[in-house]
Amino acid sequence: GAGVSQSPSNKVTEKGKDVELRCDPISGHTALYWYRQRLGQGLEFLIYFQGNSAPDKSGLPSDRFSAERTGESVSTLTIQRTQQEDSAVYLCASSPPDRGKHEQYFGPGTRLTVT
Amino acid sequence: AQSVTQPDIHITVSEGASLELRCNYSYGATPYLFWYVQSPGQGLQLLLKYFSGDTLVQGIKGFEAEFKRSQSSFNLRKPSVHWSDAAEYFCAVGRYMNYGGSQGNLIFGKGTKLSVKP
Repeated sequence: GAGVSQSPSNKVTEKGKDVELRCDPISGHTALYWYRQRLGQGLEFLIYFQGNSAPDKSGLPSDRFSAERTGESVSTLTIQRTQQEDSAVYLCASSPPDRGKHEQYFGPGTRLTVT
Repeated sequence: AQSVTQPDIHITVSEGASLELRCNYSYGATPYLFWYVQSPGQGLQLLLKYFSGDTLVQGIKGFEAEFKRSQSSFNLRKPSVHWSDAAEYFCAVGRYMNYGGSQGNLIFGKGTKLSVKP
C-alpha cells in the first residue's frame, strides 16, 4: 500500500517568508509526528497528533512554528518568518491505532533551504 | 530524561566483514527500542524493534540487535556487510506518554554513518 508522502520534496525560500509543508499519512493511521533533521544531526521531535488534536507540542522550537491536522488525514507544518537556522529536512511519520508500540513509518521528508 | 547515545559518528568496514553499531540509552522503564536506516536522500526505514521477550531480535536485510538491560545497550550487528549497506543508522527509544493513547514520539541518537570499502 501507499506509504507516508510529503510535499514538496524540496523548498527554497527567502528569509522572512512563510512556508507550508504537507504530510499525507498512511490511511488508517491515527497518530502523526513531525520531526526535524538538521545537517549531520539526529531527528528532533517537533509535534505529535492523535487524530486532529495535538497532545504534545513540546518540540516546537518557537511560536513561528505551528501545525494542524484535518481529522486523521493530512497535516501541514507552517513556519512563519523563516530564518536560516530553520534550514533542515522535515520528516513526517505516522502510526497505526494505539498498540502502545510506537511503530512509526516515515515519509521521505521535505528539504527546506532558507536563503 | 530519556536519551540515546551512538558513540561512533562514522565507521568504515570492508565488504564481507562483520559489523557492530553501538547504541546506549537512558530510560526509566522497560524501553521500546528501534534501529532505523537512512540512505542518501531517503526517508527512514525500520530495520528492527524490541518491545519485550527475546532479547535478540532479527530484522530485515540480515540485521540483528541484542538488548542488554544491564548495559543499557541495544547494539546492531550484521555478520557480513554488503556494499549496499552503506547508509546512516539511527537508534531510537520510544518515549512513553500517558495521553490515554499510550503513544509518544521517538528519541533518536545522532546516527552512525557506515561506509563500506570494496
